[in-house]
Amino acid sequence: EAAVTQSPRNKVAVTGGKVTLSCNQTNNHNNMYWYRQDTGHGLRLIHYSYGAGSTEKGDIPDGYKASRPSQENFSLILELATPSQTSVYFCASGVSGENTEVFFGKGTRLTVV
Amino acid sequence: EQQVQQSPASLVLQEAENAELQCSFSIFTNQVQWFYQRPGGRLVSLLYNPSGTKQSGRLTSTTVIKERRSSLHISSSQITDSGTYLCASNQGKLIFGQGTKLSIKP
Repeated sequence: EAAVTQSPRNKVAVTGGKVTLSCNQTNNHNNMYWYRQDTGHGLRLIHYSYGAGSTEKGDIPDGYKASRPSQENFSLILELATPSQTSVYFCASGVSGENTEVFFGKGTRLTVV
Repeated sequence: EQQVQQSPASLVLQEAENAELQCSFSIFTNQVQWFYQRPGGRLVSLLYNPSGTKQSGRLTSTTVIKERRSSLHISSSQITDSGTYLCASNQGKLIFGQGTKLSIKP
């Protein structure tokens, strides 16, 4: 299975602080995604990217920025973290075209206190 | 926009029974993927099945495009199959159902 690596795996941040979540894939996939998962809300798409230099807003982008400096790396940035952003964050990657299978990283558990 | 419905929301079975999970889509899709997740764990891709029937070990998925539905059959269930099963449609981005929580009892 394609490998997607997230770091850190766990993070505690203070309210108002800046948080950067990193994601790396070496599968040469064009598409990368950031989701958050919360009980009662399921998986929700925050930002996604179709390639280096591009970022698109997902369904819940407010309070988040994304950066795709290269094919391999996709970061999620919380400029001013709030307790409501406490969640588990998943990064994923996939190809575009006929076969759009997507692969997920192990997740980052973020707690904002 | 695409909406994905999964049923049942939860399912409790005895070990060795078969499980049948359903997924329906509000609009056409030919990009369907099934995932498995343990509590607190990552999403593991089980099957990518855009149409027809695909099998992987004890898992069989059938996607009927014109009826906008997909199913996942787990044969001879095991306790380690317990967890949440999610289906998703890829419309340029993955849109997930709410999942089926499967519990296998000894």
